[in-house]
Parts: sequence; C-alpha cells; structure tokens
Amino acid sequence: DIVLTQSPDSLAVSLGERATINCKSSQSVLYNSKNKSYLDWYQQKPGQPPKLLIYWASTRESGVPDRFTGSGSGTDFTLTITSLRAEDVAVYYCHQYYSSPRTFGQGTKVEIK
Amino acid sequence: QVQLVQSGAEVKKSGASVKVSCKASGYTFSKYGVSWVRQAPGQGLEWMGWISGYNGNTNYARKVQGRVTITIDTFTSTAYMEVRNLTSDDTAIYYCARDSNLAVAPDPFHVWGQGTMVSVSS
Repeated sequence: DIVLTQSPDSLAVSLGERATINCKSSQSVLYNSKNKSYLDWYQQKPGQPPKLLIYWASTRESGVPDRFTGSGSGTDFTLTITSLRAEDVAVYYCHQYYSSPRTFGQGTKVEIK
Repeated sequence: QVQLVQSGAEVKKSGASVKVSCKASGYTFSKYGVSWVRQAPGQGLEWMGWISGYNGNTNYARKVQGRVTITIDTFTSTAYMEVRNLTSDDTAIYYCARDSNLAVAPDPFHVWGQGTMVSVSS
C-alpha cells in the first residue's frame, strides 16, 4: 500500500500569513503516460465531510479560492494557503488515487496563531 | 444540483450488521462509481471500497474484505454498504463519495455525502 506522510501534524499561522503543508508518498503517484500525479487535497471542518480543494496535484476545484495552491509531482507534494483567513481553520488531508487501496495522509490541523 | 444523500445514524450491538444507503441525484448514476470512506472519532480518513455504477464491479480494502459488501440499485440511483459482524472498532462516520466508473481510472472525490454515524456498543 502507498503510505502518505504529511508534515507538520499541526501548525498555527497568523491571519494573512502563509501556511504550507507537505505530503510525501512512499512511491511515485505519477502516471507517466498521462503526465498526471494522482494526488489530491481535501479540507475538513468539524462536523462536515471533506471538501475537495486540489486534484491532479495542482488543479484547483471549481469555486475554491485562489489562495489555495497545490504543487509537486511524483512523491513530494505541497499545499500552500497564501494569506490565511479565519475560515481556513480545518484539517487538511492529502490522498492518492494512483493505486488501490486509496490512501490518505494522517491529516494536518491548521489553526490561527 | 449534484448531491449524495445518506441514511440516518445507526446504533448497533457488537456482532450485528448495518446497511448504509447513499442516494445520488443531479447526475447520471450509471456514468460514475461510488467509493465509501470512514472516519473513526477524532481520527483520519480510511477508504473502504468502491463500486461501479455501470456494472456493479467492486473493489474492497483488504482490511474489510469479506465483512463489507457494497451494492447498487440503478433504478433508485442508490448505493449501499453493508458491514457485518460489527465491533467497537467499526464505530465511525461513514461517507460515500462519487468516483469513477472504472477501477483502472479512478477520480478525485468531487462530491461527498453528508456522512452517517454508526455507533457500535457491546
């Protein structure tokens, strides 16, 4: 199974500052023939289902603010929230859909400093 | 609008079974699949299995294989997940999510159900 390891487990960021979350995969999730990494990012707020933010590692889901950016390829990925807002407080998960079983990172909790 | 609506919370005894439903609307059910993901209290997300809305093909996580059955009713555009021989470790929120129709070409989870809490007590 592919193991996704997120870092850090939690971080506190001041309003308006940048938050950076990393996700490292135990093996590449890049589908070479399609030049796509099968990695996406979800935001989960308390009492709500996860919400898709970024897919194919860097494609922003429709309606997601452009302060959310995904980057990376192969085994190393990053979710960046520029100019953190109060409503961004949540747990963020990376997820790979390259191979079965699908797996998720352990989650990163983002709070306001 | 595209949505998945799940059945209500369940309370079960250890050893019992539970069947959770996920009704799709706003899209052609047979053109997509459904995955099930669960989340134990205070924990992360765990993928459990997938079913094609086109032909009912399934794929399960090894951890639950043999104890979980995922089915569909194409007439009502509803997916079901049954978990048998419940233990306290099965206490979790169970989510359905729209997926690809093809096991070899999975999709991101663009659409999620609201979740169903299943509580298992001894």
